[in-house]
Amino acid sequence: DQQVKQNSPSLSVQEGRISILNCDYTNSMFDYFLWYKKYPAEGPTFLISISSIKDKNEDGRFTVFLNKSAKHLSLHIVPSQPGDSAVYFCAALSSGSARQLTFGSGTQLTVLP
Amino acid sequence: ETGVTQSPTHLIKTRGQQVTLRCSSQSGHNTVSWYQQALGQGPQFIFQYYREEENGRGNFPPRFSGLQFPNYSSELNVNALELDDSALYLCASSLATNQETQYFGPGTRLLVL
Repeated sequence: DQQVKQNSPSLSVQEGRISILNCDYTNSMFDYFLWYKKYPAEGPTFLISISSIKDKNEDGRFTVFLNKSAKHLSLHIVPSQPGDSAVYFCAALSSGSARQLTFGSGTQLTVLP
Repeated sequence: ETGVTQSPTHLIKTRGQQVTLRCSSQSGHNTVSWYQQALGQGPQFIFQYYREEENGRGNFPPRFSGLQFPNYSSELNVNALELDDSALYLCASSLATNQETQYFGPGTRLLVL
């Protein structure tokens, strides 16, 4: 039972254009959502997060949108750069004392020069 | 400020053996979480340690165990290794009061033959 789903295993975008990565979740008890970026042979690197009480959070080229009624979030990267090419993981943080991250399966983003 | 470090980087074991993986948390972080990432999947939560005690556990059998030391570093032990234990093992550190931001180490790649 996958509580966090990334339905697109890969995405290719032209440099300078917008990249949109999508994520769906099923558990209403998640209270924070995060995006991580992962290069081969490295651990995931935190990118941006959003609290469940907000619908948008922006940090430079990265914006995360949360639609609670649809249990959907998306990461927008504008403009996309070749260095953004990596695997992007959506993760949800559970409430409670042990705040475990539940990850999606990732989306490989390739930004073409 | 040092980041999260893990050792060893790679390990090859045979079925039935035991393995110990190590993690040093980021300076000042008192909470360590361990994740297993199988090929093509997102990381899966194994357990979390806080104040030298297990503070939450995912869906992993008891042969996965851990320790946390007074300096907040941590070990993951896996007994009776199975072929399916082959994965990237990641640890993440955070402050117990700010688990919205978890910093990951580079991981240990374990291969079980």
